[in-house]
Amino acid sequence: GESVGLHLPTLSVQEGDNSIINCAYSNSASDYFIWYKQESGKGPQFIIDIRSNMDKRQGQRVTVLLNKTVKHLSLQIAATQPGDSAVYFCAEITPSGNTPLVFGKGTRLSVIA
Amino acid sequence: GAGVSQSPSNKVTEKGKDVELRCDPISGHTALYWYRQSLGQGLEFLIYFQGNSAPDKSGLPSDRFSAERTGGSVSTLTIQRTQQEDSAVYLCASSLEHKARDTQYFGPGTRLTVL
Repeated sequence: GESVGLHLPTLSVQEGDNSIINCAYSNSASDYFIWYKQESGKGPQFIIDIRSNMDKRQGQRVTVLLNKTVKHLSLQIAATQPGDSAVYFCAEITPSGNTPLVFGKGTRLSVIA
Repeated sequence: GAGVSQSPSNKVTEKGKDVELRCDPISGHTALYWYRQSLGQGLEFLIYFQGNSAPDKSGLPSDRFSAERTGGSVSTLTIQRTQQEDSAVYLCASSLEHKARDTQYFGPGTRLTVL
C-alpha cells in the first residue's frame, strides 16, 4: 500500500546550523501535508502545513518545501536551537479529506550544543 | 485556553485486564481522534468522532478496542482483555470540525504498559 516515510530516522545538528528533515510520500493523490513536532513525553504539535498547489511555504525559522515530481517533502529549520530537539513527523491527506492523517515514522533531531 | 487533556498519563496493567483511557477535547471542537503510537513508530489512526455522526472505526485493530464519546465532548477508549502488544502511547486529538485542513491538536497521551 501507499505510505508516508522518512529518509533518515535520526539527525544530529550543531546548534546554530540549519537542519533539513526529509519525507517521501507515495500517494500521488495527497494534496495537503503537515509537519508535526513531538517533544519527549508530549503529543505532536503542529508546525507548518503546505498545499499541493504550492512548492514552498515559510514560517518562523521553518520552511517546508514540496516537490510533487519526486513526491518529496522537506522541513528546513534555520539556526537550530536546543529546543528544536524532538521527533518530527510528516503527515499527508488525500483530496477526499475523509481519511485521517497518515503519519510517517518520524525523524529524531538532536541538537548538539 | 485549555488544550486537550488525557488521563491517566501512565497506566500499567496485567495481561487480560480491561483498561479505560479518557480524553477531554478542546471546548467547542466537534471532531475527536484517537491514535496509537508504538515505540519508535509513527501514529496509527484508531477511530474518530464528528459531532453526532456515527464514528469511523476503521482503524481499530480488533474487537477488543472500542470507544465512545458522550455528549459530544469527553471520549473514552476501552481496551478489553489487554495483550502485551497493546502496550503503546495512546494519543487523542481534537479539531474544530472534521475537515482535512482543520488543525488537529493533540493531548499528551496515555502510556499504557501491559505486563
